[in-house]
Amino acid sequence: AQKVTQAQTEISVVEKEDVTLDCVYETRDTTYYLFWYKQPPSGELVFLIRRNSFDEQNEISGRYSWNFQKSTSSFNFTITASQVVDSAVYFCALSDPYGGATNKLIFGTGTLLAVQP
Amino acid sequence: EPEVTQTPSHQVTQMGQEVILRCVPISNHLYFYWYRQILGQKVEFLVSFYNNEISEKSEIFDDQFSVERPDGSNFTLKIRSTKLEDSAMYFCASSETPPGREGGYTFGSGTRLTVV
Repeated sequence: AQKVTQAQTEISVVEKEDVTLDCVYETRDTTYYLFWYKQPPSGELVFLIRRNSFDEQNEISGRYSWNFQKSTSSFNFTITASQVVDSAVYFCALSDPYGGATNKLIFGTGTLLAVQP
Repeated sequence: EPEVTQTPSHQVTQMGQEVILRCVPISNHLYFYWYRQILGQKVEFLVSFYNNEISEKSEIFDDQFSVERPDGSNFTLKIRSTKLEDSAMYFCASSETPPGREGGYTFGSGTRLTVV
């Protein structure tokens, strides 16, 4: 069965600190996609990144970076020099576009990040 | 940027009433989805829809729920007789197959349903 675990329920940091959000996933499939979404207090889901299972290169986008390690089934997300606007719930998700017919996403329980000024 | 549009953004309904949540997926997407998020909890898959029929549904998606693509552009979720526990944010999403440039997966901004 597919599963996504975000063990950190809440994290509180002070502005300008770096913070890493952990994501561990389980799947029997060799082809899959991993996602991160941000959910600000307004409630919408903001797409941050998609990574396919064959691409283990780390990615950096501004202050955001992602570390995909297939050997440990982890896809961690780091925010460098955090800002108050980063305060949100962050969800990691897994999809299996080829093993099943539907390409649905399986979400983790989310990590609430609070960045204090 | 193409968007998935959901209406209304917020709906309040009395227990036992029927509600219809509406979505306009991205025009060239082939798969359509509904997800639910109870306040403070994770986002859960409800149902996927492809080629004018349900392709997969979760155990949450019982006989009270139905989906329809009535006119080739709208995608609706109907809850026949709402219960208090149906109060949640409902997200519509659409995707290409295989996944496209933006993760091939676009969510609408959600409809917050409050059952009183």
